[in-house]
Amino acid sequence: QSVLTQPPSVSGAPGQRVTISCTGSRSSIGAGFDVHWYQQLPGTAPKLLIYGSSNRPSGVPDRFSGSKSGTSASLAITGLQAEDEADYYCQSYDSSLSGWVFGGGTKLTVL
Amino acid sequence: QITLKESGPTLVKPTQTLTLTCTFSGFSLATSGVDVGWIRQPPGKALEWLALISWNDDKRYSSSLRSRLTITKDTSKNQVVLTMTNMDPVDTATYYCAHRRTSGPVVYAFDIWGQGTMVTVSS
Repeated sequence: QSVLTQPPSVSGAPGQRVTISCTGSRSSIGAGFDVHWYQQLPGTAPKLLIYGSSNRPSGVPDRFSGSKSGTSASLAITGLQAEDEADYYCQSYDSSLSGWVFGGGTKLTVL
Repeated sequence: QITLKESGPTLVKPTQTLTLTCTFSGFSLATSGVDVGWIRQPPGKALEWLALISWNDDKRYSSSLRSRLTITKDTSKNQVVLTMTNMDPVDTATYYCAHRRTSGPVVYAFDIWGQGTMVTVSS
C-alpha cells in the first residue's frame, strides 16, 4: 500500500479535461513538502511532468498543470489527446519515514 | 545533456546479492546540490524509492529496506552503485537510477531517469 493515494484509473474523451488526485498526510504533503508528477508511457521510464507542485519543466505542454492544498495535490490535463494515455505517479517526501514516497499510480485512458 | 544508464545482472538467485551500477554523463556528483537516487518498479506495480546518495556522500535509504541496501559513488568514474542483499522473488522489478538536484532549476524532483534494467529473482 502506497503512502500517497491515487485513484487507480481515470478516463476522458479527446479534448476533455481530467484531474488526478494524490492524497498524503500531515507528515508528507501536509507538512509542506513539494509534490512532483511523472508520466510513464507503456514500456518506458517515468518522465518528470510537474515539479514543485505546479511547475512545468521545459518542453512539457501547458495542458498539464498541478496544484496542492492541505494534504492533497492534483494533476489536471486539459485538451486530452490520445498520446496522453499513460500511467501517472505523484511523489513527495515523508518526514515520518525519512524518505521519498510515490503514489500507487493512475492509469489514464483516452476514450 | 544529462543521461543515466543502469547495468547489472538480469537474473539472480534467491539469497544472492544484487549489484547494480548507474553510469551517468552530463553532470558531476562532486557538484554541490546534486543527488542520484534508485527507484524500482515490480511488473505492473507502482514505483518505490530505494536509496539516494548526495554530492557530499550523504546517504539515505528506504526504511523498509535499509538493512539490505548499500549505495556508494565513484565520482571519478561517474558511477553510483547499489547493492541489495538477500534477494527474493518479490524483488523482481525494473530498477531505475535518476538525477536530482537541490539547487538551480527543477529542484527536488527526479528530473532525469535512466532507461531502467529488469532484474528477475528466480532459482
